[in-house]
Amino acid sequence: GNSVTQMEGPVTLSEEAFLTINCTYTATGYPSLFWYVQYPGEGLQLLLKATKADDKGSNKGFEATYRKETTSFHLEKGSVQVSDSAVYFCAFNNAGNNRKLIWGLGTSLAVNP
Amino acid sequence: GAGVSQSPSNKVTEKGKDVELRCDPISGHTALYWYRQSLGQGLEFLIYFQGNSAPDKSGLPSDRFSAERTGGSVSTLTIQRTQQEDSAVYLCASSHGQGDEQFFGPGTRLTVL
Repeated sequence: GNSVTQMEGPVTLSEEAFLTINCTYTATGYPSLFWYVQYPGEGLQLLLKATKADDKGSNKGFEATYRKETTSFHLEKGSVQVSDSAVYFCAFNNAGNNRKLIWGLGTSLAVNP
Repeated sequence: GAGVSQSPSNKVTEKGKDVELRCDPISGHTALYWYRQSLGQGLEFLIYFQGNSAPDKSGLPSDRFSAERTGGSVSTLTIQRTQQEDSAVYLCASSHGQGDEQFFGPGTRLTVL
């Protein structure tokens, strides 16, 4: 069935370190892929998205590329900041009519100064 | 403009009681989604509304759960005879149309004692 597998956390990095959070998905059809972020005490917000194969989503220095051949959508950032500390969720919407989101379990990131 | 709002922000109830959770979507958004975020289980889809109709209720965990939407706007999620396993954060999201970005509310944290 449809599912998302993302790297387990927590991930702890020093400021300016390189970040990768792996995400792979199992889906039928051609879903759109998303990364959502939840900062401490705040609601979920969209970080970036990609709607077709080989698309690259980017925002706030984060990037992820839709890789259909490996069914992956790994999140990367070249130099993390303390303010990036949050929980990151990989998700996709199903290719059916309702576009409900299927979620990974989330990866907690802590960036130390 | 205002985002998605939810009320109450926190709800503590006793096992066996009924609860109602409210969601006010962004004005003009036709699609509305309810999700549940449980500790250790991530986010799961509950129900989807397009306008006032709910073409996908497949995520509702039992017949104790129901939801309605009136006037193509406000939605209420009702849980009857609450159980301890219902404790979770209930999230509402809306989007302008199918496949568009979903905007999330801050959630209602439900605790069933």
